[in-house]
Amino acid sequence: GESVGLHLPTLSVQEGDNSIINCAYSNSASDYFIWYKQESGKGPQFIIDIRSNMDKRQGQRVTVLLNKTVKHLSLQIAATQPGDSAVYFCAETPIPRQLTFGSGTQLTVLP
Amino acid sequence: DTAVSQTPKYLVTQMGNDKSIKCEQNLGHDTMYWYKQDSKKFLKIMFSYNNKELIINETVPNRFSPKSPDKAHLNLHINSLELGDSAVYFCASSQSTGVILFGSGTRLTVV
Repeated sequence: GESVGLHLPTLSVQEGDNSIINCAYSNSASDYFIWYKQESGKGPQFIIDIRSNMDKRQGQRVTVLLNKTVKHLSLQIAATQPGDSAVYFCAETPIPRQLTFGSGTQLTVLP
Repeated sequence: DTAVSQTPKYLVTQMGNDKSIKCEQNLGHDTMYWYKQDSKKFLKIMFSYNNKELIINETVPNRFSPKSPDKAHLNLHINSLELGDSAVYFCASSQSTGVILFGSGTRLTVV
């Protein structure tokens, strides 16, 4: 079946550096993508979303890039802070109300 | 003032028992969901439900059933619990095809 995957299961960055988390998706019918952050013991928390008619969207310290040609999604976090340490998931919705998650990337921020 | 709240947070029970997890959202959303997160952090949709339609992931055993007394609640009933049902279960909600917001999860342990 269709899958949403991540290139790296773990990512370690120095505090203050920028982080880039990548995600590949395979369902070309997907038109809506979301990044979630999950801290230990908590539910996934919405970070940012993007629709397929856009290539880039910026939030506070975060930017999502969408490359539909190669079916690739990335999350950039500027000036990474200790509080950014978490598991990050990309998700897609090829069908309304059917959010499909990737396997997650553990981001660790080093002091 | 939690937007999506679920209870209990932890549930330990014996094999063969029947249990329920409750979920409530105070956002006025029209769609609610149940997700299962396994030990490897993989999130998989179980059900999505609004007042018109119940969508069931075909891989979910029929021992699992959602029950919605009203638009603000979607409870999860599980019959004849098995060891493999141990996981974290997340309730979520959204307004139509908008951002899906998650509760803090229920950790179910079947012994």
